[in-house]
Amino acid sequence: GQNIDQPTEMTATEGAIVQINCTYQTSGFNGLFWYQQHAGEAPTFLSYNVLDGLEEKGRFSSFLSRSKGYSYLLLKELQMKDSASYLCAVMDSNYQLIWGAGTKLIIKP
Amino acid sequence: GAVVSQHPSRVICKSGTSVKIECRSLDFQATTMFWYRQFPKQSLMLMATSNEGSKATYEQGVEKDKFLINHASLTLSTLTVTSAHPEDSSFYICSAHIAGEDYSEQYFGPGTRLTVT
Repeated sequence: GQNIDQPTEMTATEGAIVQINCTYQTSGFNGLFWYQQHAGEAPTFLSYNVLDGLEEKGRFSSFLSRSKGYSYLLLKELQMKDSASYLCAVMDSNYQLIWGAGTKLIIKP
Repeated sequence: GAVVSQHPSRVICKSGTSVKIECRSLDFQATTMFWYRQFPKQSLMLMATSNEGSKATYEQGVEKDKFLINHASLTLSTLTVTSAHPEDSSFYICSAHIAGEDYSEQYFGPGTRLTVT
């Protein structure tokens, strides 16, 4: 079956760095997305990876290894406003989105 | 975890016709369902918020007469794209929201890819 795994919850300190991992097993691959979602709000797009390697966007970076079925989202210089859920989603060969359950990130001062 | 299904997963229709997309929460009752559309490599765009038994609330710029939403029960919401045009071709995603006194969770469907020719 198709499966996306990511940790349920993580805690980090303001100003630090945190890495949120996502592993996947899907029938085909047409890209991996990371979204940020604050409670009660719609998710916002963070990144899209379809080729192996690291994509950097300011404080956020996303890495993909297709051979390992693995991605991570790296957040640097953490701020309190980064407290949110982070969703990993993979688009399979049928262009269907397979969603992870999300990782709740708690930032402490 | 909770499961949300969408049907159909992919549809191709001719310009001028209407298409109905179903969103179902399979093992829970959703207080609210959301409809999104997504263009390639872009963020999800919220189209409307749907509460069971009441009219949907549409986001600014979304035509309510073109995108008809019906939320007949706590487990089913439908989005009908009326008089579809090629520019309506997109990826439509629903999500179901459940909330209690001390929790709030949202689960996404797999999406429906609409192609209008």
